[in-house]
Amino acid sequence: EAQVTQNPRYLITVTGKKLTVTCSQNMNHEYMSWYRQDPGLGLRQIYYSMNVEVTDKGDVPEGYKVSRKEKRNFPLILESPSPNQTSLYFCASSLASGSYEQYFGPGTRLTVT
Amino acid sequence: GQNIDQPTEMTATEGAIVQINCTYQTSGFNGLFWYQQHAGEAPTFLSYNVLDGLEEKGRFSSFLSRSKGYSYLLLKELQMKDSASYLCAGPGGNNRKLIWGLGTSLAVNP
Repeated sequence: EAQVTQNPRYLITVTGKKLTVTCSQNMNHEYMSWYRQDPGLGLRQIYYSMNVEVTDKGDVPEGYKVSRKEKRNFPLILESPSPNQTSLYFCASSLASGSYEQYFGPGTRLTVT
Repeated sequence: GQNIDQPTEMTATEGAIVQINCTYQTSGFNGLFWYQQHAGEAPTFLSYNVLDGLEEKGRFSSFLSRSKGYSYLLLKELQMKDSASYLCAGPGGNNRKLIWGLGTSLAVNP
């Protein structure tokens, strides 16, 4: 089944404790992206990747890191999480760029206390 | 600039028709997406209009006018399960990203 998977689905952590949210897609998509979604603010892009080893900042990259060592994986790293990073996070992928249909993972609900 | 505007909330009755509008100011948008998102779930693709006009897909239709920077999503024969947020989005940043509206929360009442 074609899909985007994310892990974990739910995470409660404390300020400053490094964490990684994994994202994997099995559709051989070139483009992958991370979003956060907060009430009243909509979907905001954190980072995106046009291809392996090619990543770029989205609209809200501060406090996050990403890597794209393989085509299928695009982990999101929070080196020192803070409470303002409490959010619902979505990973998405598309065939080639932002102008193609994006397929979303199920989401990761992160709480930082 | 690239901004997308859509109403925050709408309500409708089961069995009725509802139109959700989306307007945008853009340079370089070459199409418009509509996604559906149920509360707490991931957005799912509904439609992508590249050409002007109406595209019908079952109970859902989407319209685009590029010259007016205007699109709408038309939902017919509303069902309770259509209660969701509807997001419009356009390719921006030289097609490197999607520019998202804040979404329209639709409540379908019995």
